Amino acid sequence: NAGVTQTPKFRVLKTGQSMTLLCAQDMNHEYMYWYRQDPGMGLRLIHYSVGEGTTAKGEVPDGYNVSRLKKQNFLLGLESAAPSQTSVYFCASSSGTKHTEAFFGQGTRLTVV
Amino acid sequence: KNQVEQSPQSLIILEGKNCTLQCNYTVSPFSNLRWYKQDTGRGPVSLTIMTFSENTKSNGRYTATLDADTKQSSLHITASQLSDSASYICVVISGNNRLAFGKGNQVVVIP
Repeated sequence: NAGVTQTPKFRVLKTGQSMTLLCAQDMNHEYMYWYRQDPGMGLRLIHYSVGEGTTAKGEVPDGYNVSRLKKQNFLLGLESAAPSQTSVYFCASSSGTKHTEAFFGQGTRLTVV
Repeated sequence: KNQVEQSPQSLIILEGKNCTLQCNYTVSPFSNLRWYKQDTGRGPVSLTIMTFSENTKSNGRYTATLDADTKQSSLHITASQLSDSASYICVVISGNNRLAFGKGNQVVVIP
């Protein structure tokens, strides 16, 4: 019963490098989300998807891209990493129905130096 | 301005004591409100959900209340344990399924 799995758990990047964070869910959820969590800021929505093949911008989308080619996977890409993108990234999924619960992954701690 | 405000930002309590965390929101239209517990280094985990018509709901030693008229919720922790040390996040879900997060209440339980 994996739920929401994020890969990798930790990563250190140099400024300007690119990388992709993978989120996988096995609950057949329609909705998937990417958040970043910074000290004193709470969780902020980067991008989200309401179904396979669809994506939409959240609160802080600049510098990130996403893709939802398969229903169970939601990828978050950083094309040219910046120190301001040092953060803990959380993926979440939900069924999207009324009163549904959002399930979160364990997080990816990314440091950009 | 954040749509979900939590207080206090942090608190320290003795093991065995009770505490109450507050959440005020301005999200509209309102669908439901959840309290999540986030242990250090882990993802948030749902504790309880409150819908518009519910005033009180319990989950073990956690009791949540909701006053939809004043747009306030509280989370009461009874007989705290060391494992209750965590961040408690208030999340308000709007009618179009958008999630608005509070910044969390950081609770530290000491023996």
